Amino acid sequence: EVKLVESGGGLVQPGGSLKLSCAASGFTFSSYTMSWVRQTPEKRLEWVAYISNGGGSTYYPDTVKGRFTISRDNAKNTLYLQMSSLKSEDTAMYYCARVAVKRDYYAMDYWGQGTSVTVSS
Amino acid sequence: DIQMTQSPASLSASVGETVTITCGASENIYGALNWYQRKQGKSPQLLIYGATNLADGMSSRFSGSGSGRQYSLKISSLHPDDVATYYCQNVLSTPYTFGGGTKLEIK
Repeated sequence: EVKLVESGGGLVQPGGSLKLSCAASGFTFSSYTMSWVRQTPEKRLEWVAYISNGGGSTYYPDTVKGRFTISRDNAKNTLYLQMSSLKSEDTAMYYCARVAVKRDYYAMDYWGQGTSVTVSS
Repeated sequence: DIQMTQSPASLSASVGETVTITCGASENIYGALNWYQRKQGKSPQLLIYGATNLADGMSSRFSGSGSGRQYSLKISSLHPDDVATYYCQNVLSTPYTFGGGTKLEIK
């Protein structure tokens, strides 16, 4: 059974840092691209970061580029998101998601349960 | 960036009815469009990929269609369990933008 379990969320002050983790099991982690997606308090979904299976390629939207860093440890089956210079608008539930290629299309086919991040003084 | 616009933002329908949610892209995304279902308190779940392909384990009452810039999700014979928020997502190019969501309620 595919399982993704996030951890590391919490309350942090504006300008602070936080590192999220996502422990993966039930599939060959090193074979899959992985992503972080967040759900804002307004219930919007925002794609936050993407890392290739080997870790050699990463992508970020402009809203987090330069502040967030996605990484992975394939030996530990774990995905990370280092967040710095946090802003109030980064407040959200953060999900890690497995990215599969289905009939030539990317699709986030498994999601974790999420970890909550609140940026507030 | 490709902008995704969903409509309606919310809708209410009766059990047994058929409903359609639409998603428009700011440019041609060549069918690279996914739909996700997010039930209250749960993580999003892949529903449709590549505009028309039903994800594993999802009910055949769900179907996707469209091409170019316009796409739609149809839910046939509504069940109470279909109460959720539905999101479309561009997966043609980064950033993989989502639509604003459509909240479906049962009358």
